Amino acid sequence: SQQGEEDPQALSIQEGENATMNCSYKTSINNLQWYRQNSGRGLVHLILIRSNEREKHSGRLRVTLDTSKKSSSLLITASRAADTASYFCATDPYTGNQFYFGTGTSLTVIP
Amino acid sequence: EPEVTQTPSHQVTQMGQEVILRCVPISNHLYFYWYRQILGQKVEFLVSFYNNEISEKSEIFDDQFSVERPDGSNFTLKIRSTKLEDSAMYFCASRVGRALAQYFGPGTRLLVL
Repeated sequence: SQQGEEDPQALSIQEGENATMNCSYKTSINNLQWYRQNSGRGLVHLILIRSNEREKHSGRLRVTLDTSKKSSSLLITASRAADTASYFCATDPYTGNQFYFGTGTSLTVIP
Repeated sequence: EPEVTQTPSHQVTQMGQEVILRCVPISNHLYFYWYRQILGQKVEFLVSFYNNEISEKSEIFDDQFSVERPDGSNFTLKIRSTKLEDSAMYFCASRVGRALAQYFGPGTRLLVL
C-alpha cells in the first residue's frame, strides 16, 4: 500500500498545550499536505510542504518534512478547544495523480 | 473566497438504484477528484479527472462508477447500481494544477438501504 500512517491515532491534551502529530509514507512525493476534519464534516486544507522544504509555518501550525525518513510532523502550538478534530496527512506522489491519505489522528483539546 | 460545493448534502437510496452526486469545483481549477470515506475510516481516492478524461482511478472505481463534466462548471459521480457497501461520505476536490493544494467540498453522505 502506498498510503501513509499517522500516529498517534488519538491524542488528548489540555488547552494551551502543544499537539504533535506524525505521518509516515512510502512513496516519493511532490509534496505533503495536512488537512483537518471536524466530525462528520469536510476536509479543510491546512498547509502544504514541498519535497524540497524541511519546515514550514502557518500561524500556530508548524510542519516538518524528512524525505529521507519519509515522515512529516504537524505541530499545533497553544492549542484551543476549537482545534478538536481529526488531522490527516495526504501525500501527492511524484508520479501519478492520486492523493494518499493517512489514517488520521483524532485530537481532543480539553478546555 | 471560492469553494467547492456539493449537492445533495445527504442522499438515501435503495440498493440497486442509480445515484448521481454533483460537485461544482472552483472555477479556475483544472484537476478534479472524487474520494470516499466510509464511516470511521480513512479517506480513499476514487478517481481523478483532467482535460475531460479520467487520468487515474483506484480499484474501488469499478464499472459501476462513472464521472462526467457535462458543462463548464459541474463534475458528477454516478453510481449505476448501488450496493450496501457504497454507503459512505463522498468528497469532491479540485485544484489549479499538479503538485498544488487540493480543496475539498463539504461532502455528500450517501446511505444505501
